[in-house]
Amino acid sequence: EVRLLESGGGLVQPGGSLRLSCAASGFNFTTSTMNWVRQAPGKGLEWVSTFSGSVCCTYYADSVKGRVTISRDNSKNTLYLQMNSLRDEDTAIYYCAQVEAGSGTYYVENWGQGTLVTVSS
Amino acid sequence: QSALTQPRSVSGSPGQSVTISCTGTSSDVGTYNYVSWYQQHPGKAPKLMICDVTKRPSGVPDRFSGSKSGNTASLTISGLQAEDEADYYCCSYAGSYSLLFGGGTKLTVL
Repeated sequence: EVRLLESGGGLVQPGGSLRLSCAASGFNFTTSTMNWVRQAPGKGLEWVSTFSGSVCCTYYADSVKGRVTISRDNSKNTLYLQMNSLRDEDTAIYYCAQVEAGSGTYYVENWGQGTLVTVSS
Repeated sequence: QSALTQPRSVSGSPGQSVTISCTGTSSDVGTYNYVSWYQQHPGKAPKLMICDVTKRPSGVPDRFSGSKSGNTASLTISGLQAEDEADYYCCSYAGSYSLLFGGGTKLTVL
């Protein structure tokens, strides 16, 4: 069974920093493409960042580029999202997501339960 | 990139069928056959219902089906049941390992 367990969310002041973690199990994490997707309160889903699997590249949405860094520790089966210079509009539930990516396919197959980040003074 | 366009709400009675549309552009929905649909109940994480436009993952009832024509994808739910009441999001691959989601559609089962 695939499990994605996020942690690290909380209340932070504007301009502050936070590091989210996602502990993964039940699948081959090392070769999997992983995403962070967020959902502001009462709003829709927004892709934030991708760390591709076997090809070690990272990608970011324009809304967070330059302020967040996605990383992974394959020895710990853990995905991270370092968030800096946080803004009010970054307030959201942040989901860790496992992507099925390959020839002829690309979709989020599994989601974590999410961790809430609140940016407020 | 702007979000994919979905109706804010749709409704139907038990047993009826509803279709939710999802309109993108030639840069996303129109180019890639990588449209997926997610169901989200209040307070819960999204759940995959359709992938790669038409494929239904194991465990998803065959009442759910997907299609695409040009820049518009659609999710059809037939034989509506009370438990289908939820928010539904479409999603398209948009190149460079990025995803573009729709704004979401609230399905009400009358």
